[in-house]
Amino acid sequence: AQKVTQAQTEISVVEKEDVTLDCVYETRDTTYYLFWYKQPPSGELVFLIRRNSFDEQNEISGRYSWNFQKSTSSFNFTITASQVVDSAVYFCALSSLSSGTYKYIFGTGTRLKVLA
Amino acid sequence: NAGVTQTPKFQVLKTGQSMTLQCAQDMNHEYMSWYRQDPGMGLRLIHYSVGAGITDQGEVPNGYNVSRSTTEDFPLRLLSAAPSQTSVYFCASRSGLNSNQPQHFGDGTRLSIL
Repeated sequence: AQKVTQAQTEISVVEKEDVTLDCVYETRDTTYYLFWYKQPPSGELVFLIRRNSFDEQNEISGRYSWNFQKSTSSFNFTITASQVVDSAVYFCALSSLSSGTYKYIFGTGTRLKVLA
Repeated sequence: NAGVTQTPKFQVLKTGQSMTLQCAQDMNHEYMSWYRQDPGMGLRLIHYSVGAGITDQGEVPNGYNVSRSTTEDFPLRLLSAAPSQTSVYFCASRSGLNSNQPQHFGDGTRLSIL
């Protein structure tokens, strides 16, 4: 069975603090893909990053960084020097072959509140 | 660029009414899907399609029908609306069946069933 767990329901930080959003996944497939999406208060879903199971390199994009560790089945997301505009719900998603078609499984999301 | 377009953005229905949520994409994507988003439950897959004429069920398909007569359009039908179907619905598409491509989402339809 495929599963994505985002244990942190809601996190509040003060602006300029660093914050890490946790994502733990389960799959028996050897080939799979992981994604992070952002849902700001306006409601749309914005793609942030994808990672395939064969690429364990960490990635940094500006204030955002992602730590992928297959040994712990985790794909954590860190925001450095958080800003109020980072306030959003963040979803982690897993996609692996199931019944012949790759389907996304989403976590329940983490609501991040960045206070000025 | 239009991307994925959902209509309507808001809708209120009475229990037992039927309606169709529209979804259209202009990116020639083979894969399209419908999700519902409920508080504390993330996004759950309702139905998906891997091409015109081909649809399949996701994890919460009961009460919903879909069809895919063209590559561009993937409407979601509520047959007899129930209060439990009050939710935000998202349509998404991606190119090919290879899931290393991210999904593109519409802006959502907020549906309330009274």
